[in-house]
Amino acid sequence: DAGVTQSPTHLIKTRGQQVTLRCSPKSGHDTVSWYQQALGQGPQFIFQYYEEEERQRGNFPDRFSGHQFPNYSSELNVNALLLGDSALYLCASQTDRIGAQYFGPGTRLLVL
Amino acid sequence: GIQVEQSPPDLILQEGANSTLRCNFSDSVNNLQWFHQNPWGQLINLFYIPSGTKQNGRLSATTVATERYSLLYISSSQTTDSGVYFCAVEGRDDKIIFGKGTRLHILP
Repeated sequence: DAGVTQSPTHLIKTRGQQVTLRCSPKSGHDTVSWYQQALGQGPQFIFQYYEEEERQRGNFPDRFSGHQFPNYSSELNVNALLLGDSALYLCASQTDRIGAQYFGPGTRLLVL
Repeated sequence: GIQVEQSPPDLILQEGANSTLRCNFSDSVNNLQWFHQNPWGQLINLFYIPSGTKQNGRLSATTVATERYSLLYISSSQTTDSGVYFCAVEGRDDKIIFGKGTRLHILP
């Protein structure tokens, strides 16, 4: 039973570029949430997808957008990258928006 | 929004010692989770515990929702317990808030 997977593992971009991160949820899970974790901080909730719709959103600008596909996998897109977007981006999945969340290994994004 | 405070921020213990980590939250919550983040950044779900007490091996957790706190107990610490422990709550607005974590160092 595969857990939550994320790709790529590492990414280097320059300011102003756009990036797409991908997440496949744990088998049987239909809800995907995305988090940003800056160095030394706790994860910050970006948004949650359920039934291919954004159900909840944290305090992130519109530069952060996402998508969920019919197979429950999800993408996080960040436009017009800023130096401050450098962080570990984590994806978590769960069942029907309740229950324990299971996290992927994350994508480390560095913006130069 | 809801505030989540974890204490202590840092804890250094000798192998074999016991510890208690605390999570206070400022409002009613739908649920509460405890996570362990290892040095490589992987977050592991330890407990999903909106209320009551659960145990898993050397770890146990108690959430008293009416008093807005949760405790994580680690007994007979091992070096592999080192890392950062996070408490995360889902508020009534369905948004998930993490605390700043407790950084635990277990010395051999």
